[in-house]
Amino acid sequence: GAVVSQHPSWVICKSGTSVKIECRSLDFQATTMFWYRQFPKQSLMLMATSNEGSKATYEQGVEKDKFLINHASLTLSTLTVTSAHPEDSSFYICSASPASGSGGGGDTDTQYFGPGTRLTVL
Amino acid sequence: GQQVMQIPQYQHVQEGEDFTTYCNSSTTLSNIQWYKQRPGGHPVFLIQLVKSGEVKKQKRLTFQFGEAKKNSSLHITATQTTDVGTYFCAGPKGYGQNFVFGPGTRLSVLP
Repeated sequence: GAVVSQHPSWVICKSGTSVKIECRSLDFQATTMFWYRQFPKQSLMLMATSNEGSKATYEQGVEKDKFLINHASLTLSTLTVTSAHPEDSSFYICSASPASGSGGGGDTDTQYFGPGTRLTVL
Repeated sequence: GQQVMQIPQYQHVQEGEDFTTYCNSSTTLSNIQWYKQRPGGHPVFLIQLVKSGEVKKQKRLTFQFGEAKKNSSLHITATQTTDVGTYFCAGPKGYGQNFVFGPGTRLSVLP
């Protein structure tokens, strides 16, 4: 149990275009999902906390107008990289923890990570 | 702000040798979690430690939480090539579900 999927797994786009990444919890509900960014051979950097039905909470230094987050349901959060530039190229990973009483698999204290999306901006 | 550090940054071992990575937090933690990320993969949860001085074992892996709940260690006995990857520790940030990840220790195992 406790599976998180991401789509797409990789994307290549031209500079100036927008890219949407989806994060889904497949067998549990998550009121909160997290978006991370990971550069090669580096650690995970938390970008924002996505809250179902409300605005996302962004970490310091992360532009909320550039990285748009929408958490429309208890199983789906999306991250849109607007007007992408080469410096936005990175590995984007989402994670989610099962909400208490949400049923399905997983431990509420554990973060389950999606497989990640590798974004390359030309 | 809260900082989580890990040492060493890299470790190369011969298959069969032991390996230990250490995690240190600038603040007392309510719990600590360990994750493993294989090359090209995503982090996978290994374990959570909650109690002061807690020791947990998973086959060849031994996890320990310090008495002061500010440090932790992961020890692998007799490493295998399947142990290759980056091991991250993570501590809660504040009282929410956010976690602060350490920089990770990248383990290479030479056959």
